[in-house]
Amino acid sequence: EIVLTQSPGTLSLSPGERATLSCRASQNVATTYLAWYQQKPGQAPRLLIYAASSRATGIPDRFSGSGSGTDFTLTISRLEPEDFAVYYCQHFSTSRQTFGQGTKVEIK
Amino acid sequence: QITLKESGPTLVKPTQTLTLTCTFSGFSLSTSGVGVGWIRQPPGKALEWLALLYWDDDERYSPSLKSRLTITKDTSKNQVVLTMTNVDPEDTATYYCAHRSITVVRGAFDFWGQGTLVTISS
Repeated sequence: EIVLTQSPGTLSLSPGERATLSCRASQNVATTYLAWYQQKPGQAPRLLIYAASSRATGIPDRFSGSGSGTDFTLTISRLEPEDFAVYYCQHFSTSRQTFGQGTKVEIK
Repeated sequence: QITLKESGPTLVKPTQTLTLTCTFSGFSLSTSGVGVGWIRQPPGKALEWLALLYWDDDERYSPSLKSRLTITKDTSKNQVVLTMTNVDPEDTATYYCAHRSITVVRGAFDFWGQGTLVTISS
């Protein structure tokens, strides 16, 4: 079973700063099967990135995904007020889905 | 436009069976590559995948919960139903259903319902 470990647990930044979120898998995963979601309080998760680096429909280009093998990164180039939220990475296959424990991006 | 909405009881007693329904529109669960999944989130905690049903009736379950879960569909009603037996207070969570497209977003969950909070308590 693949385990996803996200770091840091909490990221305290100011609007306009760059955010770098990490997702590490316990074994190599195909980039095709790695996604990132954003979740705001009281809301359902929203798909940001699929296939490790492809932005979902309507996602601003300040969000970018990268990585391969066991190390993946979500970068928010310049934080907007609406970007403060919790972010989850996900690995999926036909038979199983795994989410990381989340990284909270909070206003400093 | 794809939409999904969860429905079911808000309060269930321990040891009882929980039945949740996901009613969707904007897609067909008969279309190749399409699936509907269930994901839950205990208060203040992370997301946990539960089950997934594909267009071809293939069913997949979380290994840790497989013995307690059943996922079915009613294509004519555009519904997917999740049944969880022998519930426990640790099953208290917001339960989400979500659309999965292998062809469009490589299998990620691209559309989600609003979620429904289920509390397990006597």
